[in-house]
Amino acid sequence: TQLLEQSPQFLSIQEGENLTVYCNSSSVFSSLQWYRQEPGEGPVLLVTVVTGGEVKKLKRLTFQFGDARKDSSLHITAAQPGDTGLYLCAGVSGTSYGKLTFGQGTILTVHP
Amino acid sequence: DVKVTQSSRYLVKRTGEKVFLECVQDMDHENMFWYRQDPGLGLRLIYFSYDVKMKEKGDIPEGYSVSREKKERFSLILESASTNQTSMYLCASSLSLATNLGTYEQYFGPGTRLTVT
Repeated sequence: TQLLEQSPQFLSIQEGENLTVYCNSSSVFSSLQWYRQEPGEGPVLLVTVVTGGEVKKLKRLTFQFGDARKDSSLHITAAQPGDTGLYLCAGVSGTSYGKLTFGQGTILTVHP
Repeated sequence: DVKVTQSSRYLVKRTGEKVFLECVQDMDHENMFWYRQDPGLGLRLIYFSYDVKMKEKGDIPEGYSVSREKKERFSLILESASTNQTSMYLCASSLSLATNLGTYEQYFGPGTRLTVT
């Protein structure tokens, strides 16, 4: 069974601070996705990274896929209260038939 | 935009009742999934379906069954609800391998919060 270890589990910061969330595995993934989930709603896809070493930017969010495609990170610059939510990473393996392996999630709270 | 809808946002059932959770997607996706989400445990896959009438067990299928009679609809059935099935249930859909280039982005419904008393 493939596992994705996501850290930290909880993050509570002040508005304007920077933060990084990590997603690590001993397995290789063909692609990795990041989702954000607000309370009472389903997860919403933020980005997909496919190539080892790839970096994608979405406004103040920067996503990186490790060179070996076993890990990924999400960096938020100058966090805002609107960034509050649960962040989930999810990996696709070559044989998964469309199934995703999810990390446990990081609950981010940004205080004004 | 992809839209995935779930029949109920909140549901309260009694132990032993048969419970049906319905999910409908409007983007002609081949793959559909049912997850449950519990604090500290993340999303756990219950069942998935890669075509009409096709289904496969996920990581925690015990106590659940599914039905997919039409491509757009995927139902989760709790044959005899128990209190340990109190949870948030999320449905998702994605394109198949042939049309997805292997990235399998999933689109989620808003979830059904089920309470079994």
